[in-house]
Formats: sequence, C-alpha cells, structure tokens
Amino acid sequence: AQTVTQSQPEMSVQEAETVTLSCTYDTSESDYYLFWYKQPPSRQMILVIRQEAYKQQNATENRFSVNFQKAAKSFSLKISDSQLGDAAMYFCAYRNVNTGNQFYFGTGTSLTVIP
Amino acid sequence: NAGVTQTPKFQVLKTGQSMTLQCAQDMNHNSMYWYRQDPGMGLRLIYYSASEGTTDKGEVPNGYNVSRLNKREFSLRLESAAPSQTSVYFCASKSGQALNTEAFFGQGTRLTVV
Repeated sequence: AQTVTQSQPEMSVQEAETVTLSCTYDTSESDYYLFWYKQPPSRQMILVIRQEAYKQQNATENRFSVNFQKAAKSFSLKISDSQLGDAAMYFCAYRNVNTGNQFYFGTGTSLTVIP
Repeated sequence: NAGVTQTPKFQVLKTGQSMTLQCAQDMNHNSMYWYRQDPGMGLRLIYYSASEGTTDKGEVPNGYNVSRLNKREFSLRLESAAPSQTSVYFCASKSGQALNTEAFFGQGTRLTVV
C-alpha cells in the first residue's frame, strides 16, 4: 500500500510570513503525481497545487510553491506572505498509474495564521 | 456551478439504523469516490467507481455498500450503523484516467452514530 506521511499535525505562522508544510511518501514507482489540498473550516476540499514526478521544476501557484525532492520522496508546500484566509487543514496526496483511480492522503497539517 | 453535491450535510443515527448518503456531480466525470475523514487519520477511501456500472473496494469498505446509479450519482449506504462509523464523509469525482487530473470534492456529511 502507498503511504503518505505528514509529520506536523499543527503549524502556526505570523501573518505575512512564510511557512513550510512537510510531506513524505513511499513508492517504488517512477511516474506519479503529488497534490496539496486545502480544507478550510467550511470543510470544502480545494486543490492548491500539483506536481508531476517527471518534472524537475517545482510547481508554483501564486504564493504557493513546492519543494519536490524525488530522491528523498519529499514534497513540501511553502506558503509565502501568509494571509488569514490560509488558515486551514492541508492534505498531501499521491496518485500513480498503478493505484488506478485512487488518491492516497496524508493525515493533514492544521495551519493557524496569527494576525 | 454545483460541482459535487452531497446530502445530507449532517445526520445523527442510532446504532443499528440504516441510511444512504447521496452524491451527485454535474461535471460529466467518470470516476467517483467515497472517503471518510477521521481526526489524525486523514481521508481514507471507502469505495470508488471508475465508471458507470463498476464499483471497487477501497481501504475501509466494511460496513458499507455503494451504488453507482448512473454517471451522475454514487450513493453510500450504511445498513446497520455503528458508533465506529461516526465520521465526516466526502464524495469526490474525477474526469479521466490521466494522472494529473484532480479530484473535486463535495462539502461533506457529518455523521454521528449514538
């Protein structure tokens, strides 16, 4: 079974500062995708960013970027210029061709943004 | 812009009662999923349906049944609810087989079994 590990149950950041959320995964596959989802208090899961394993360039979406280290099987999310609206639970997810349609999720990191 | 719609949003059941969680998507997606979310355990897959007419077990299928009624609808049934099934349930859908396609989620159903 695939495993995705988020070792930080809770994190906090000052507004306007930068925070990095960690994610590691276990796989023997070479082709796969990684995702970060945000879940605010409304419970709605929202895709933040995705990364293909074959791409060496780290994905970026506005204030959100990833540090993808394929050899280390690490996929961290960096949030720059943190805003109050970034407060949420963040989930890392993994999918490869052999898992078919399944996404495997980590246990989540709860991010608090301090005004 | 409905996306994925789940009903109900909240439900309280007594042990042994049955109920069906409903899910519908209007994005013409082939794949649909049911997850449960528990504190400290992330999202765990209960069942999924790769296409209309097919269903497969996920990581935690025991105590649940599903029906892919048509391409739009994928329901989750608890035949005899147990307190261990107290959780938040999410339905999700995805368009195709490509690895990069994201899953779209409903807003969840908070189920409490007493």
